[in-house]
Amino acid sequence: DAGVTQSPTHLIKTRGQQVTLRCSPKSGHDTVSWYQQALGQGPQFIFQYYEEEERQRGNFPDRFSGHQFPNYSSELNVNALLLGDSALYLCASSLLAGNEQFFGPGTRLTVL
Amino acid sequence: AQSVTQLDSHVSVSEGTPVLLRCNYSSSYSPSLFWYVQHPNKGLQLLLKYTSAATLVKGINGFEAEFKKSETSFHLTKPSAHMSDAAEYFCVVSGTSASSYKLIFGSGTRLLVRP
Repeated sequence: DAGVTQSPTHLIKTRGQQVTLRCSPKSGHDTVSWYQQALGQGPQFIFQYYEEEERQRGNFPDRFSGHQFPNYSSELNVNALLLGDSALYLCASSLLAGNEQFFGPGTRLTVL
Repeated sequence: AQSVTQLDSHVSVSEGTPVLLRCNYSSSYSPSLFWYVQHPNKGLQLLLKYTSAATLVKGINGFEAEFKKSETSFHLTKPSAHMSDAAEYFCVVSGTSASSYKLIFGSGTRLLVRP
């Protein structure tokens, strides 16, 4: 049984560009959450998707958007990249929103 | 506002000695509390969770934590540290309101284990 998978593992972009990160949830899970982990800090909640709708959102600007597909996989899109967007982006999945979240290995985004 | 505070950014112990990682939380609701571990270049792994059942929670790899409502604390302990325990540990709170399921992470405690 595959766990949560994320792609790509690493990504380098320049300021002003746009990026799309992808996440496949653990088999049987229907809820996906995204977190940003800056270097030396704890992860910060970006948003959560359930039934293809954004269920809850953290304190992130509208440059951060997402999508959930019918197969429960999810994408995180970031527009107009800033240097401060450099971080590890973590995806977590769960069965229903309130249950234990399982994390993927993350995508390391570097913005130059 | 709901939050979690990890009282030590770094903890250093000798192999075979006890581990204590401290965490305080604030929540006006009945939260769920977790400890996650993150090894270098790896994802987050759940060590244990408290969800209003027994106040002493046992997790994987010999770790346990005690929920103390009067002290708003959820400290993580292990009787004997192993070299493989060296990692970053995060105290996490969730369910801070009836409709909130996001995980709120502390800033982390880096555990160093000396041979």
